[in-house]
Amino acid sequence: AQSVTQLDSHVSVSEGTPVLLRCNYSSSYSPSLFWYVQHPNKGLQLLLKYTSAATLVKGINGFEAEFKKSETSFHLTKPSAHMSDAAEYFCVVSGANTDKLIFGTGTRLQVFP
Amino acid sequence: NAGVTQTPKFQVLKTGQSMTLQCAQDMNHNSMYWYRQDPGMGLRLIYYSASEGTTDKGEVPNGYNVSRLNKREFSLRLESAAPSQTSVYFCASSFYEQYFGPGTRLTVT
Repeated sequence: AQSVTQLDSHVSVSEGTPVLLRCNYSSSYSPSLFWYVQHPNKGLQLLLKYTSAATLVKGINGFEAEFKKSETSFHLTKPSAHMSDAAEYFCVVSGANTDKLIFGTGTRLQVFP
Repeated sequence: NAGVTQTPKFQVLKTGQSMTLQCAQDMNHNSMYWYRQDPGMGLRLIYYSASEGTTDKGEVPNGYNVSRLNKREFSLRLESAAPSQTSVYFCASSFYEQYFGPGTRLTVT
C-alpha cells in the first residue's frame, strides 16, 4: 500500500529565507509524487509533479522538489520565501494508475516579515 | 473555461436532513472524484468515477451516495446528515493530473 508522511505539521520562516517542507513516501512500486498548495479558503493547486523522469522537479512560483529513492523522500524547497507563500502544502502519492491519490496530512507554512 | 465548479459554497444542515452537492467540469475529463477535508487529516477520497456510468468507493464512503449523471457532472448525496459529516468537500476531475474545485463547506448541527 502507498502512503506519505509529512514530517512537520507547521513550518515558520522569515521572508527571504529558504523553505524546506519534508515528505517521505512508501510505495510498493515506482510512484508518482505531487505537491499541492492550498491557500486559505481556496481549492488545491498543483505545484509540481514527479513521474519517473528527472529526479529534480521544478514547479510554479520558484518551488522545486527532489525525488530520492534511496531515502524515500520528496522534499519541497524554495530558496527565498515570499509572504504570498503562506499556505498549506500537501504531499501526495499515486501508483501506476494516477487516478487515485493518497494525501499527506499537510504542512502549514507561515512566513513572517 | 471554468474548470471544476461546485455548488453550493456553504451549507448548514440539521442532523437527519438530506442534500446533494453538485460538481461539474468543462475539461472533458473521464475521471471525477469527491474528497472530504478535515483538520489534520489531509484529503480523503469518498467516491470516484473513472468514466460516465461507473462509480467506485474510496476510503470513506459510508453515509454518502454518488451519481455520475453524464461526463460533465458528478454529484454527492448525503441521505441523512450526521455531525460527523461536517467537513469541507472537494470535487476533482483528472486527465493525468487532478484539478480541484473551490470546495463546499458543510456544517451539520
